Amino acid sequence: EAGVTQSPTHLIKTRGQQATLRCSPISGHTSVYWYQQALGLGLQFLLWYDEGEERNRGNFPPRFSGRQFPNYSSELNVNALELEDSALYLCASSPDGASNQPQHFGDGTRLSIL
Amino acid sequence: AQKITQTQPGMFVQEKEAVTLDCTYDTSDQSYGLFWYKQPSSGEMIFLIYQGSYDEQNATEGRYSLNFQKARKSANLVISASQLGDSAMYFCAMRGTTGANNLFFGTGTRLTVIP
Repeated sequence: EAGVTQSPTHLIKTRGQQATLRCSPISGHTSVYWYQQALGLGLQFLLWYDEGEERNRGNFPPRFSGRQFPNYSSELNVNALELEDSALYLCASSPDGASNQPQHFGDGTRLSIL
Repeated sequence: AQKITQTQPGMFVQEKEAVTLDCTYDTSDQSYGLFWYKQPSSGEMIFLIYQGSYDEQNATEGRYSLNFQKARKSANLVISASQLGDSAMYFCAMRGTTGANNLFFGTGTRLTVIP
């Protein structure tokens, strides 16, 4: 069974640009979560999608947005990139929205802002 | 609000010995879940073990066990018979408030296994 896959592995952008990160969940999983792991700030929750809808959002500005497609894959968009957006972005999936299910993570996309 | 505290930034353990990684939590929810994840230097987060607040038995998964003390609000991870491949960051996490479903993570403990 394939795990959570994320692309690209690395992404280099400059300030003010826009970045798109992609995530494919484990087959059969309908919930997708996005987390940011910035140096010194630990893992911070960004977004949760389930059945195509945004279910919850972390404490991030509106320039962080995303969507979930009918096949449950997801993309995270970050507009007007700032230097502090440099981080590892991790996507996770779970079978459904039940909160006792473990979230399984992908290998992440490392976003670097120059 | 949920809060996870990991007070050990770094730990060392001799190969084949057991080690305990500490985790305390705070929540006002009656029903909650606690998770441990391992993050090697390559970056991926690997799910290790889960403990539900109403589970009567401590969770075990192979060499991993969770020492759950509900009254003390602690959920320590015990790794038995440490291996060199266990060297990694270990994160304790808690499921968010009912309906929120996101995980709150602690700051992590870096475990180094010494040959």
